[in-house]
Amino acid sequence: GESVGLHLPTLSVQEGDNSIINCAYSNSASDYFIWYKQESGKGPQFIIDIRSNMDKRQGQRVTVLLNKTVKHLSLQIAATQPGDSAVYFCAETPYNQGGKLIFGQGTELSVKP
Amino acid sequence: DGGITQSPKYLFRKEGQNVTLSCEQNLNHDAMYWYRQDPGQGLRLIYYSQIVNDFQKGDIAEGYSVSREKKESFPLTVTSAQKNPTAFYLCASSPAGYGYTFGSGTRLTVV
Repeated sequence: GESVGLHLPTLSVQEGDNSIINCAYSNSASDYFIWYKQESGKGPQFIIDIRSNMDKRQGQRVTVLLNKTVKHLSLQIAATQPGDSAVYFCAETPYNQGGKLIFGQGTELSVKP
Repeated sequence: DGGITQSPKYLFRKEGQNVTLSCEQNLNHDAMYWYRQDPGQGLRLIYYSQIVNDFQKGDIAEGYSVSREKKESFPLTVTSAQKNPTAFYLCASSPAGYGYTFGSGTRLTVV
């Protein structure tokens, strides 16, 4: 079935370094993508989103890049902090499917002090 | 404050019992969703509702039931037909299929 997958299940970075979390999606009809952060025992928190008519979007310390040619999404976190340690999920919304989000498996980011 | 509230935070179910998880939102969102999350896994869609009195099955609807009698409320019942109900359940809402807001989740355990 259709799914959003992640290249790496875990990522460990040093505090202050930049982090890059990757995601591959399979549905070329998806027109909206979101990155979520989930801390243990909590619900996912919205980080940043991007629509399919954009290639890049920046937020505070985060940037999302979308490459529709290879169906690839990435989340870049600048100056990673210990508070960024969490599981990060990308999700896609296929066009005209009632707003359903399809989630990937997640990447666990661990920030070493 | 606007938000989405799930209760209870922890729930224990005996074999053969039905249990209902509550989800309430005061964001005036039309759409609401239920997801299931197993340890180390992503979220899988159980049911969703785009409008009051209407809902659709998601990818793993078997053993679950929902209702949407009010815009603010979308309760999920885990029936005895769900053979492996132990999981973390997440409710979400969105205004028009974009910009989900998630609740804090209910952790259900079978005892």
